[in-house]
Amino acid sequence: DAGVIQSPRHEVTEMGQEVTLRCKPISGHDYLFWYRQTMMRGLELLIYFNNNVPIDDSGMPEDRFSAKMPNASFSNLKIQPSEPRDSAVYFCASSLGQGAYEQYFGPGTRLTVT
Amino acid sequence: DAKTTQPPSMDCAEGRAANLPCNHSTISGNEYVYWYRQIHSQGPQYIIHGLKNNETNEMASLIITEDRKSSTLILPHATLRDTAVYYCIVSIYTDKLIFGTGTRLQVFP
Repeated sequence: DAGVIQSPRHEVTEMGQEVTLRCKPISGHDYLFWYRQTMMRGLELLIYFNNNVPIDDSGMPEDRFSAKMPNASFSNLKIQPSEPRDSAVYFCASSLGQGAYEQYFGPGTRLTVT
Repeated sequence: DAKTTQPPSMDCAEGRAANLPCNHSTISGNEYVYWYRQIHSQGPQYIIHGLKNNETNEMASLIITEDRKSSTLILPHATLRDTAVYYCIVSIYTDKLIFGTGTRLQVFP
């Protein structure tokens, strides 16, 4: 298996633009997680899905952030409008069921908002 | 907030055992102890987990005290590739992992 796939790996955009980050989980995994990592705040859980349904979005910072999972093979995280403070590395992870003990992380998307 | 306390940094000589401590004095009876690590610029990687018994896998050993208020991750023969930030996390399942600041382990030649 190719593991969790994220695209793009790097994104540079100007303040006010819409940003879309994409994630393909490992086939067969029914949990998908979005995290954000910054030097100041560390690694934060933003939202997670079970069987394509959002379970907990309490970590989403504000209404500018939204995430969807239209099917078991794809999820996206959108930021509209983007701001410089959104600059971070965004990780997607997936896991196999609630009884699973291991989350598999993707390589991350480094977002820079100027 | 993270429910664990870890030293911010540690050093270890290559080939020696690295012992990384973690305090989790408020752990509940149904919470597991997980260890992940993050090598520079990569996504975190699962290492091991345990409930109350000591555990060992191909990567590491996990020693949990009898009162479960602390644990130690042991890398038996550290290599330069083990240089990373190590996170100790307590959680019921893997649904919601709260990552703290971790321990930055530097393995030196």
